[in-house]
Amino acid sequence: GAGVSQSPSNKVTEKGKDVELRCDPISGHTALYWYRQSLGQGLEFLIYFQGNSAPDKSGLPSDRFSAERTGGSVSTLTIQRTQQEDSAVYLCASSKGGQYRSGANVLTFGAGSRLTVL
Amino acid sequence: GENVEQHPSTLSVQEGDSAVIKCTYSDSASNYFPWYKQELGKGPQLIIDIRSNVGEKKDQRIAVTLNKTAKHFSLHITETQPEDSAVYFCAASTRGGSQGNLIFGKGTKLSVKP
Repeated sequence: GAGVSQSPSNKVTEKGKDVELRCDPISGHTALYWYRQSLGQGLEFLIYFQGNSAPDKSGLPSDRFSAERTGGSVSTLTIQRTQQEDSAVYLCASSKGGQYRSGANVLTFGAGSRLTVL
Repeated sequence: GENVEQHPSTLSVQEGDSAVIKCTYSDSASNYFPWYKQELGKGPQLIIDIRSNVGEKKDQRIAVTLNKTAKHFSLHITETQPEDSAVYFCAASTRGGSQGNLIFGKGTKLSVKP
C-alpha cells in the first residue's frame, strides 16, 4: 500500500480484557517495528521483525505483550489482561530493511492505534 | 543499552527566529542519528538524519550537527514558520539504523508563533 495502515485507530477496553492491534506495512518492506507512545514519554521500542529472522522482543514490557508477523507482512500486537498503564498510542513502522539497501533505515510510521483501558 | 536524552521538552519561538533542539546519547557505538517530526494525529516522519562519519548535514532550513566526542547532536531550524510547529524526536542506533531498533528521545514540542 501507499503507507503503513493501523487498525483500529481507537480502542477503548475494560481492564482485564485482551486486545489485538493490527499493522499493515508498506508492501516490500522487510522490517517492521512496534513502538508505544505514552504522554510525555516519547517513543518506547517494543519489538522488531526483520525478514525471517527471530524477532527482537527486548522492548516488550511484560509477558502480557506479544506480537506476530504472518507471511512477512501483516503484524498483530496482542495485549492480554490489559491494565490501565497500558493506555497509550501504539505505533507501527516499517522500513526496507537490509543492511545495504538505499533508504533501508528510514522508518515509515502509521498513524497509530490509541488504546484506552478503563 | 542506549539511552537518549532530549532537551528542551517544550520550545516556543517567534516566526522567523531559529530553533535548536539538543540530544545526548550514552552508547559510543551509536552511528546513526535521525530526527523525526510528528504532527498532531499523525505518525512521526523522518526529516533529516546523520551518520557518525559526518559532522554536519543541511537540508534547506534544517541542519543537524554531531559531536561524537561529547556524544551529542542537535537539530537547527532557521527562519521558522508556523507549519514547523510539531513534536520533534531525536533517535540513535548502533547498527546504522538498518538492522535493529532506534532508541528515541522523549520529544520536544515546538510552537512557532505567527
